[in-house]
Amino acid sequence: GDSVTQMEGPVTLSEEAFLTINCTYTATGYPSLFWYVQYPGEGLQLLLKATKADDKGSNKGFEATYRKETTSFHLEKGSVQVSDSAVYFCALRQGGSEKLVFGKGTKLTVNP
Amino acid sequence: KAGVTQTPRYLIKTRGQQVTLSCSPISGHRSVSWYQQTPGQGLQFLFEYFSETQRNKGNFPGRFSGRQFSNSRSEMNVSTLELGDSALYLCASSTLSGRDNEQFFGPGTRLTVL
Repeated sequence: GDSVTQMEGPVTLSEEAFLTINCTYTATGYPSLFWYVQYPGEGLQLLLKATKADDKGSNKGFEATYRKETTSFHLEKGSVQVSDSAVYFCALRQGGSEKLVFGKGTKLTVNP
Repeated sequence: KAGVTQTPRYLIKTRGQQVTLSCSPISGHRSVSWYQQTPGQGLQFLFEYFSETQRNKGNFPGRFSGRQFSNSRSEMNVSTLELGDSALYLCASSTLSGRDNEQFFGPGTRLTVL
């Protein structure tokens, strides 16, 4: 079945550092890809998405590009802030279903 | 616009009991999905409902069941609770408008089984 693998961390960075969280997937066909963020005590929020190969999703300074050839969707941000501290989940969804398949999540802590 | 609401937010039960969790989607959203989140297994899909019909089901035992009402509100039920059912249960709603549609998650119900 479909699966998502992401670096589990935890990741600890200083403010203004560069962030990369790796995500690769195994799936048939052409799934849509997502990054969700979860702040302490809250549900998931959609951070960005890409629905086809070579699409770049971006939001709040975060970016990820759908790479079909490497089955990857790595999350990057050029300069992280303390407020970015959260758990980040990579996910995929096949057409015709709302079912999301999630990676294990990566906890990010940004220190001032 | 109000977000997805889940009730109750916290619940403590004992083994063998049953529990019902409720999810009210965003107004106009007819699709509701449920997920279980645990430290060990991460986020796992439970079910997906649209217009009162279950469209998809995850790999969970029959003790886990759900339903959706005509107003799109959804409930999930877990019977004969086990310690391993302790988890955060999240529901998400969407308009089911295609590959590009966004699912909005509620804050979750934290279930503790003693």
